[in-house]
Amino acid sequence: AQKVTQAQTEISVVEKEDVTLDCVYETRDTTYYLFWYKQPPSGELVFLIRRNSFDEQNEISGRYSWNFQKSTSSFNFTITASQVVDSAVYFCALSGNDYKLSFGAGTTVTVRA
Amino acid sequence: DAGVIQSPRHEVTEMGQEVTLRCKPISGHNSLFWYRQTMMRGLELLIYFNNNVPIDDSGMPEDRFSAKMPNASFSTLKIQPSEPRDSAVYFCASSRGQGFNQPQHFGDGTRLSIL
Repeated sequence: AQKVTQAQTEISVVEKEDVTLDCVYETRDTTYYLFWYKQPPSGELVFLIRRNSFDEQNEISGRYSWNFQKSTSSFNFTITASQVVDSAVYFCALSGNDYKLSFGAGTTVTVRA
Repeated sequence: DAGVIQSPRHEVTEMGQEVTLRCKPISGHNSLFWYRQTMMRGLELLIYFNNNVPIDDSGMPEDRFSAKMPNASFSTLKIQPSEPRDSAVYFCASSRGQGFNQPQHFGDGTRLSIL
């Protein structure tokens, strides 16, 4: 069975602050994929990033960065210099040796002007 | 390229009525998924199709729910008869391959309210 835990329910910051979202996962599969999705207030689910279990290289893309640590089963996500438009629910998800995408409960990020 | 297209965006109907949700996946994607999102249960996978064939419908709540994919560009999720507890946001998603390592791309969802 696979499990994704996002311990932070809500995070509130002031614009331009950095925000780090925690994600811890459990899986018995040796090959798996990790994802982050964003759900803005308008409701759609937007794919942000995918990482496979063999690629621990961390990455920066604009104001977003990801920290994948296999040793601690964590896949954290950071928004640098947050903006009001970053306000959304962020979901971490895991896909193992099947097609099923297991989602965490989500973290609601509120960025105040 | 057009994304996953779902219709209707909103549906309000009375208990007992039949509800049909529609989905057009991204062209070239051969995996299609239906999800339900509620506050209590989060995102739940209802059914998964690969190459138009239902592979896993274990997430379908009960016999009142049915899904079809008659061709590669269209799928429906039907609830008959509908009940208030079916109220939720229903998402359709599609991906390339078998959905294992490819990101799933979601539609805007259908917000369903059963009175």
